[in-house]
Amino acid sequence: GAVVSQHPSWVICKSGTSVKIECRSLDFQATTMFWYRQFPKQSLMLMATSNEGSKATYEQGVEKDKFLINHASLTLSTLTVTSAHPEDSSFYICSASLTGDYGYTFGSGTRLTVV
Amino acid sequence: QKEVEQNSGPLSVPEGAIASLNCTYSDRGSQSFFWYRQYSGKSPELIMSIYSNGDKEDGRFTAQLNKASQYVSLLIRDSQPSDSATYLCAVNIDDGGTSYGKLTFGQGTILTVHP
Repeated sequence: GAVVSQHPSWVICKSGTSVKIECRSLDFQATTMFWYRQFPKQSLMLMATSNEGSKATYEQGVEKDKFLINHASLTLSTLTVTSAHPEDSSFYICSASLTGDYGYTFGSGTRLTVV
Repeated sequence: QKEVEQNSGPLSVPEGAIASLNCTYSDRGSQSFFWYRQYSGKSPELIMSIYSNGDKEDGRFTAQLNKASQYVSLLIRDSQPSDSATYLCAVNIDDGGTSYGKLTFGQGTILTVHP
């Protein structure tokens, strides 16, 4: 089945620094990947759609200059949280799909804590 | 406003009972429906997908879809303590355009199966 690898699984960083999160499709090519954020006791909220070879599409209210997305190959998308602040502390999860009909596989998630 | 709503629960059932989880959605253009299970601190895992009206069974799980009523449910038979988790309903609106592949999640229902 489709496997999406995400790392790191957790990261602690100082306020003002940047953090990069990687998401890889291991056994399939993903032209599109999705990045979600989940705050404690809340559901997943889509942040952006990552398209291979083109600019990401951000959801309303998500700062594209703060959350940089790069999808340079068919198997790798990265999310960089720039100038992180404590309010960016959250669980970040990527997902991809072979096709829309097969459901969406999620990466294992990255717990970001900004201190 | 595209929304997916679930009973937030918590829902508590005894071991061996049937757990019934419900979800309604607002956009009639919705085409694909998914149920995910999420354990605390983990990313969601796909349990069921359903695309046509009616029932779909997979082991102890049955998904039911009624597009006219904009309603999708998940039944878990012979509930086990290991089924205790948050269950997320997700909907994909396939308008052939910018919404392709994007999932909108409900807030999740916390299920507890007690021995």
